[in-house]
Amino acid sequence: AAGVIQSPRHLIKEKRETATLKCYPIPRHDTVYWYQQGPGQDPQFLISFYEKMQSDKGSIPDRFSAQQFSDYHSELNMSSLELGDSALYFCASSAVTGNPYEQYFGPGTRLTVT
Amino acid sequence: QQPVQSPQAVILREGEDAVINCSSSKALYSVHWYRQKHGEAPVFLMILLKGGEQKGHEKISASFNEKKQQSSLYLTASQLSYSGTYFCGTGGDDKIIFGKGTRLHILP
Repeated sequence: AAGVIQSPRHLIKEKRETATLKCYPIPRHDTVYWYQQGPGQDPQFLISFYEKMQSDKGSIPDRFSAQQFSDYHSELNMSSLELGDSALYFCASSAVTGNPYEQYFGPGTRLTVT
Repeated sequence: QQPVQSPQAVILREGEDAVINCSSSKALYSVHWYRQKHGEAPVFLMILLKGGEQKGHEKISASFNEKKQQSSLYLTASQLSYSGTYFCGTGGDDKIIFGKGTRLHILP
């Protein structure tokens, strides 16, 4: 079965640089969620989109922005990167028409800021 | 409000049973259970919805007590592959708020 695709899988950036993370949800899933997980921490919700509209917002810094496109893929844009942004970034997707509460996670993007 | 998980860590021998608890100070409408291995994505195990149900997944099952605002995950006859960190999460059709996780280590 198709899963959530994230790219790139690994990313190394320097402080103050920008980064773009991409997420391709499971086919026919219309809702995308972004989570950030620091080392040894639990995943923290950043932001979610349903039908290309932002549906909820969590602890996402103002330096970050995200959007969902017409093909339902989503991009997380991160600017003025800080050392503390180093983390695993997961995208998850779900389908309103299925069980909307089941979120399936992608493999994650490991971002390292040096 | 972040759910509280207990215990923080468990070490078992293969074949033993384990129970992981999750509680919330707020009313629970749904409880999600995920397992995550180091450096990998959280894997969906099951979800329990308000309305009362107990679900099972192979030798892993869970219960949901709405009145007590608690859920428990039961692992029976544990296998080496069960090792990992188990997260419970609360939420609805938007974000999941995860607990801090329970690290489970299975010894051969």
